[in-house]
Amino acid sequence: GAGVSQSPSNKVTEKGKDVELRCDPISGHTALYWYRQSLGQGLEFLIYFQGNSAPDKSGLPSDRFSAERTGGSVSTLTIQRTQQEDSAVYLCASSLELEQFFGPGTRLTVL
Amino acid sequence: AQSVTQLDSQVPVFEEAPVELRCNYSSSVSVYLFWYVQYPNQGLQLLLKYLSGSTLVKGINGFEAEFNKSQTSFHLRKPSVHISDTAEYFCAVRGLGGSEKLVFGKGTKLTVNP
Repeated sequence: GAGVSQSPSNKVTEKGKDVELRCDPISGHTALYWYRQSLGQGLEFLIYFQGNSAPDKSGLPSDRFSAERTGGSVSTLTIQRTQQEDSAVYLCASSLELEQFFGPGTRLTVL
Repeated sequence: AQSVTQLDSQVPVFEEAPVELRCNYSSSVSVYLFWYVQYPNQGLQLLLKYLSGSTLVKGINGFEAEFNKSQTSFHLRKPSVHISDTAEYFCAVRGLGGSEKLVFGKGTKLTVNP
């Protein structure tokens, strides 16, 4: 079946612009996660959604980062006023139970 | 809170040689443990997981790992590697009963040479 998909695959933006990254989880998966992968920091948790519960936002690095999940399915990660240190690969994952299935990621480059 | 240490950032080996990628974790609660593989320009793929029961876990592509609670380790092994095993390998931990987020190690780049 279809896996987790993310769009765009690559995004180049200028410092100070806002960006939106999209994640389509596997159908029926109740949990959705965002992680960031960068050279200096490795893989870091950003935010986690589970059903209708309040999201776990404990990994968001600043208030410029926000995410929403509409209808328990698609999620959008928004970064406002992007900075060069936001350059990274943003990975989305979804799960039904214990195993998290990852998408291919969005490579964000902030010039 | 949990943390993961992957002791080797890079491991070069020759084809058909055995390999061990080391992973140690720290946690105040019981944990689930995972190994993921990332091929170039791709997402993460689960190799294997330890949830409970037998401490020796077998995964895909001939990999296995052993959970050692006393040493807080979860080392990944393969008896004979192939060129196609060249990739980055990540150890991850999730605490029981708390947040479902994964905490990852920094990764080990495995390079298999002919």
